[in-house]
Amino acid sequence: DAGVIQSPRHEVTEMGQEVTLRCKPISGHNSLFWYRQTMMRGLELLIYFNNNVPIDDSGMPEDRFSAKMPNASFSTLKIQPSEPRDSAVYFCASSSGGNEQFFGPGTRLTVL
Amino acid sequence: GEDVEQSLFLSVREGDSSVINCTYTDSSSTYLYWYKQEPGAGLQLLTYIFSNMDMKQDQRLTVLLNKKDKHLSLRIADTQTGDSAIYFCAESIQNNDMRFGAGTRLTVKP
Repeated sequence: DAGVIQSPRHEVTEMGQEVTLRCKPISGHNSLFWYRQTMMRGLELLIYFNNNVPIDDSGMPEDRFSAKMPNASFSTLKIQPSEPRDSAVYFCASSSGGNEQFFGPGTRLTVL
Repeated sequence: GEDVEQSLFLSVREGDSSVINCTYTDSSSTYLYWYKQEPGAGLQLLTYIFSNMDMKQDQRLTVLLNKKDKHLSLRIADTQTGDSAIYFCAESIQNNDMRFGAGTRLTVKP
């Protein structure tokens, strides 16, 4: 198995632009998580899905952030419009309900 | 509170022991975990302990669990420069979910 796949690995964009981050979970996993990591705040859970349904989005910072999971093998995290303070590494993780979460390599986002 | 708490930074000298501490929130957590994140990479499971255990040892790693105080620690003996990473504490919560701490950045000085 290739593990959790995230794309792009790096994204540099200008303030105000729309950013879309993508994630492909491990096949057969039914839970998917989006995290944000910064030096100042550490790792923060943004949202997670169970069987493609959003369960808890209380960590989503504001309305500029949205996440979708149209099917079991794909999820997106969108930021529109992006701001410099959104610069961070965004991780996607998946699990099969057996507790351990498997993390992707992350997308490093820089908003200028 | 509802946060898993751990210090953000820890610095030790090579050869010393490192102790990373964590307090968790859910007394019914079945498993407690330590994840490791190496530079430029995602998080990977390092070790875990079942909630009915007080201690787990795996080579240079020792995990201690104090359920009464909801305190978890990770001790790394003979810390090496290759141990420099961010270490995350996590607890299992309901619905087979996990809650992570913010991570402790361990720096090992030669």
